[in-house]
Amino acid sequence: RKEVEQDPGPFNVPEGATVAFNCTYSNSASQSFFWYRQDCRKEPKLLMSVYSSGNEDGRFTAQLNRASQYISLLIRDSKLSDSATYLCVVKGPGLNTGNQFYFGTGTSLTVIP
Amino acid sequence: EPEVTQTPSHQVTQMGQEVILRCVPISNHLYFYWYRQILGQKVEFLVSFYNNEISEKSEIFDDQFSVERPDGSNFTLKIRSTKLEDSAMYFCASSSVTTEAFFGQGTRLTVV
Repeated sequence: RKEVEQDPGPFNVPEGATVAFNCTYSNSASQSFFWYRQDCRKEPKLLMSVYSSGNEDGRFTAQLNRASQYISLLIRDSKLSDSATYLCVVKGPGLNTGNQFYFGTGTSLTVIP
Repeated sequence: EPEVTQTPSHQVTQMGQEVILRCVPISNHLYFYWYRQILGQKVEFLVSFYNNEISEKSEIFDDQFSVERPDGSNFTLKIRSTKLEDSAMYFCASSSVTTEAFFGQGTRLTVV
């Protein structure tokens, strides 16, 4: 069973569209939740952390539902520059000690002019 | 802004050779990680390191792989005898107890 599951897409949307990505996680002991963005051949970079109360950063809104173990990312008014892979990442206890980050497969987004 | 740095950015090596990938994590972080990403595929966990020892490793991290923190700043990944299928982007990351993972820019390893 995968720790984090995402729809890999691809999502191809026109400029200005609203697009939503979903993610589920399996470990109820997970502590922190993130969306990362990864451009082709680059490192993943933090887009935003996800909080139970939901949080918004400009055109981006992230939601967390702990009861359903579900995380979402909404992008409004898509820009060409939003084209990237979006990674759902969950931080939780490792098998032994310390923290561990669990990655989804990533969802590919292409915004079309 | 503190960042994770990795060297080299690109390494080409012959099959069977040993390679060492180097990383300098963010200085006050306690947890260190190596991930790899084969072109077009997902980010895969290799190993995590805490308190000067491996805390977790994946099935990929077999006897050909090892990690070291030889001094207070560097964190290295060694592949003893590279195979063609080791060709990938290798990312180092670090975190503290409370933060997200911060990634280095990666080392692209090409095994020929």
